[in-house]
Amino acid sequence: DIVMTQSPDSLAVSLGERATINCKSSQSVLLTSTTKNYLAWYQQKPGQAPKVLISWASTRESGVPDRFSGSGSGTDFSLTITSLQPEDVAVYYCQQYYSTPITFGLGTRLEIK
Amino acid sequence: EVQLLQSGGKLLQPGGSLRLSCAASGFMFNNYGLSWVRQAPGKGLEWVSAISGNGGTSYYADSVKGRFTISRDNSKNILYLQMNGLRVEDTATYYCAKVSSYGPVTKSNFDHWGQGTLVTVSS
Repeated sequence: DIVMTQSPDSLAVSLGERATINCKSSQSVLLTSTTKNYLAWYQQKPGQAPKVLISWASTRESGVPDRFSGSGSGTDFSLTITSLQPEDVAVYYCQQYYSTPITFGLGTRLEIK
Repeated sequence: EVQLLQSGGKLLQPGGSLRLSCAASGFMFNNYGLSWVRQAPGKGLEWVSAISGNGGTSYYADSVKGRFTISRDNSKNILYLQMNGLRVEDTATYYCAKVSSYGPVTKSNFDHWGQGTLVTVSS
């Protein structure tokens, strides 16, 4: 199984500042035949279902504010939120869909400082 | 608009059985794979099972293999999860989720999720 390790576990950032969440996979999720990284980022607010923010490591989903961006390749990935807004308070998960079982990171809780 | 409407959660005793349902609308149902993902109270997300668009291929997490069965009725646009031999550790909110792209169901992220249904297994 591919283990997804997120860091930090929690993060407090001031409004308007940058937040960066890291995700490391135990093996590469880059499929050379497609040159795609099979990595997504989700946001989950309390009492709600997860919402996809980023797919293929860096493709922002439709309707997601451009302050959210994803980067990385192979085994090391990051989700960056520039200019943190109050509505960004949530738990963020990375997910690999390179191989089964599909696996998620344990999540990073983002709060306002 | 894509909608995934879930039903079926309840409180059961260990060893019990339950079938969850997820009724879909707003997309070509038989063109897309679907998954079940669960979340134990206060914990992270755990993928449970996936099924291809035509229902011909299914996948399971080791933790549920042999106890849970995923299926779909493409004539009714409904996804199911039959859960047998339930254990206390199966207590979770169960979400159905649609994959975002055509192709292998396990090679795509999830772009839409149901609202979740709570299954509690306790004696």
